[in-house]
Amino acid sequence: KNQVEQSPQSLIILEGKNCTLQCNYTVSPFSNLRWYKQDTGRGPVSLTIMTFSENTKSNGRYTATLDADTKQSSLHITASQLSDSASYICVVSDRGSTLGRLYFGRGTQLTVWP
Amino acid sequence: EADIYQTPRYLVIGTGKKITLECSQTMGHDKMYWYQQDPGMELHLIHYSYGVNSTEKGDLSSESTVSRIRTEHFPLTLESARPSHTSQYLCASSEGREGEVGNQPQHFGDGTRLSIL
Repeated sequence: KNQVEQSPQSLIILEGKNCTLQCNYTVSPFSNLRWYKQDTGRGPVSLTIMTFSENTKSNGRYTATLDADTKQSSLHITASQLSDSASYICVVSDRGSTLGRLYFGRGTQLTVWP
Repeated sequence: EADIYQTPRYLVIGTGKKITLECSQTMGHDKMYWYQQDPGMELHLIHYSYGVNSTEKGDLSSESTVSRIRTEHFPLTLESARPSHTSQYLCASSEGREGEVGNQPQHFGDGTRLSIL
């Protein structure tokens, strides 16, 4: 069964600190992995996309890593800001269908305190 | 910033009413999707469309129906709302046509939070 597991479920950090969110998946055949940010009351917004051949990708203070052998990804947030408070969702796409079916994790709820 | 809009943002309504959730996008995307999301849970695909006059059911069984008469418009309808339909409904769209592998990002609307009393 294709699954996406995220940890931790929730995380509280102080403003300015770094944090790392984890994503493990069993989706096969693998196409790509995206991290989405979902602010409260809003729809998810794509942060990064990782394909099979990519190990790391940065988008400002967000850095995503991918280990396709162990089927693990992480999202590292540097120098956190209050606006980083959101749910971060790991989404894996398979290449077994033309729809590019997406498998969603339950998200990590990040809270940044001043 | 993606141009995909959902209305209403919030809806509280009694059991048995007919409901239509609106979703429109101005990006000319052929692929559109409806997801259901409960607090702390993952998104579940309930409907998708490859283009005009194309609709398919998703992974999660839903009593709702959809239509795709125009490219930009993908409304979702519940003929008779029940308390079990209480949830957040997210609409999304992406580039690409039927037959193309879906590597394009999905652009999401801000959702409709539906409460059935």
